[in-house]
Amino acid sequence: DQQVKQNSPSLSVQEGRISILNCDYTNSMFDYFLWYKKYPAEGPTFLISISSIKDKNEDGRFTVFLNKSAKHLSLHIVPSQPGDSAVYFCAAKDYGGSQGNLIFGKGTKLSVKP
Amino acid sequence: NAGVTQTPKFQVLKTGQSMTLQCAQDMNHNSMYWYRQDPGMGLRLIYYSASEGTTDKGEVPNGYNVSRLNKREFSLRLESAAPSQTSVYFCASSSLGRPGGAFFGQGTRLTVV
Repeated sequence: DQQVKQNSPSLSVQEGRISILNCDYTNSMFDYFLWYKKYPAEGPTFLISISSIKDKNEDGRFTVFLNKSAKHLSLHIVPSQPGDSAVYFCAAKDYGGSQGNLIFGKGTKLSVKP
Repeated sequence: NAGVTQTPKFQVLKTGQSMTLQCAQDMNHNSMYWYRQDPGMGLRLIYYSASEGTTDKGEVPNGYNVSRLNKREFSLRLESAAPSQTSVYFCASSSLGRPGGAFFGQGTRLTVV
């Protein structure tokens, strides 16, 4: 059973608009959540993270929101740019696990149209 | 500063052949990981090494072995390759206390025919 779920395989957004990528999880022992961005033929690159003790973390155009009661997190990109077109993976770390020992969702492919 | 370097980038094997995927990091990270990514799937952890001298199984370890050669290098070995091991393999490293989770290499695309 998937512990981290990204239910939207793809998302298309107009340049300049907001992109919202969603992620749900089932394991209440997750204590750290991350978003990775992946271009074709490259490895994932870290984008932004949030600890389970927070509900929001912001870094420039990227904001991650965490709703622990709903076991839901989302990534907001404002404004969206064509260079943001990539696959975005949500990932979670179990309490006590090492930082790179992560459970990944299946990813959402974001297309930002000029 | 190269980060995490994987070799080779591409490989085709015949069923039953063996090979070793190499990984090296120059960030002085303590922990290293091997993941695989299959089409339409997220990354799944094969093995990891929390520190030099230790290795542990991840979610999908069957058919693989690993060696943490030193702090920099972590290799993944397929003793008898099977078509089910056709995948893209990613090596990663991380350091306790540094934000950002794991830092990934560029991947090795392996095809087993």
